[in-house]
Amino acid sequence: EAGVAQSPRYKIIEKRQSVAFWCNPISGHATLYWYQQILGQGPKLLIQFQNNGVVDDSQLPKDRFSAERLKGVDSTLKIQPAKLEDSAVYLCASRRSDGKMNTEAFFGQGTRLTVV
Amino acid sequence: DAKTTQPPSMDCAEGRAANLPCNHSTISGNEYVYWYRQIHSQGPQYIIHGLKNNETNEMASLIITEDRKSSTLILPHATLRDTAVYYCIVKRSWGVDSNYQLIWGAGTKLIIKP
Repeated sequence: EAGVAQSPRYKIIEKRQSVAFWCNPISGHATLYWYQQILGQGPKLLIQFQNNGVVDDSQLPKDRFSAERLKGVDSTLKIQPAKLEDSAVYLCASRRSDGKMNTEAFFGQGTRLTVV
Repeated sequence: DAKTTQPPSMDCAEGRAANLPCNHSTISGNEYVYWYRQIHSQGPQYIIHGLKNNETNEMASLIITEDRKSSTLILPHATLRDTAVYYCIVKRSWGVDSNYQLIWGAGTKLIIKP
């Protein structure tokens, strides 16, 4: 079974520029999460999708961050404009949600963003 | 949401059992405890989860106290490849299965020494 794919692996941009991250979840996984992980901290949930609908985006800074999952498969996360404090690893995770409780989430390797 | 408390770091000798503690004293009755680990520069990896009974799989064992206020993850024979940050997480869920989130702390950095 192929894992969660993320690209790019690394990205360096200047502050006030825009950036986009892409995630391809495991086939058949209806739930998709985007996390932000700042160095030395645990992952912080930004947004959760169920198919192409948003379940929770309460911690997404909506003035600069946006995410979509138009066809209920791939997802993109965008930052516009970026700030220095956005430097972090952005993790995508997916989970099968077919009525079975407690299925585990699978994570991609993440995109390391550096804003200079 | 229940919060977890873990020691920031631990050492363990290669080949010995690594016992990682976690305190979750405010956990509620229907909240599960999950353990993930994150090896350097990789995404987190699921290890095990439990509600109130002890659990074991091919990677580890999870011991949950009777009052459910704490738990211990046991790696029975640690190897150098087990060096990672280990996260003890309480799963927050509501309603249907789709409403499920993991609330992450800072984790324990486990270093396995030869």
